[in-house]
Amino acid sequence: GDSVTQMEGPVTLSEEAFLTINCTYTATGYPSLFWYVQYPGEGLQLLLKATKADDKGSNKGFEATYRKETTSFHLEKGSVQVSDSAVYFCALSDSGNEKLTFGTGTRLTIIP
Amino acid sequence: KAGVTQTPRYLIKTRGQQVTLSCSPISGHRSVSWYQQTPGQGLQFLFEYFSETQRNKGNFPGRFSGRQFSNSRSEMNVSTLELGDSALYLCASSLATGTYGYTFGSGTRLTVV
Repeated sequence: GDSVTQMEGPVTLSEEAFLTINCTYTATGYPSLFWYVQYPGEGLQLLLKATKADDKGSNKGFEATYRKETTSFHLEKGSVQVSDSAVYFCALSDSGNEKLTFGTGTRLTIIP
Repeated sequence: KAGVTQTPRYLIKTRGQQVTLSCSPISGHRSVSWYQQTPGQGLQFLFEYFSETQRNKGNFPGRFSGRQFSNSRSEMNVSTLELGDSALYLCASSLATGTYGYTFGSGTRLTVV
């Protein structure tokens, strides 16, 4: 079945540091890939998405590239801010299967 | 444009009772999904509805059920509550498919005592 493996957290970085959160996936079809972010006490917000191989999703300085050859969708940001502190979830939606399969989440804390 | 609205935000119930949670999707969205989030199991898919029909169902016992109305609003029901049902229940909506992502509500925090 489908699965998503995410980098274990928590991750603590200083402000303006470079961020990478690793995500790899297993899927039977041709999935769409997503990064969602969850702030304390809130639901999930879609951060970025990619629907086919080699697509790059980007939003708010975050980027991730759909790599079919390595089945990966790593999240990156060049310079993190304190406001980026949250839990980040990698997820996939397999073709013809209307559900999201999530990774376990990575808690990110940015210190000033 | 209003987002996905879930009511109530917080709920405390006693073991053995039943509960109904409500979700109003974004206007024009016809697909509604439900997820359970717990510290131990993470985010798990419950079910998905499209045009009042359940299209997909996760691996949850029959105590968990849902429905969708003609205006796309959805409810989920949990009968005979157990302590382990304590969780954040999230509703998500999309136009028709999940290919381009789902928009989530803020969730209903259910505590079973």
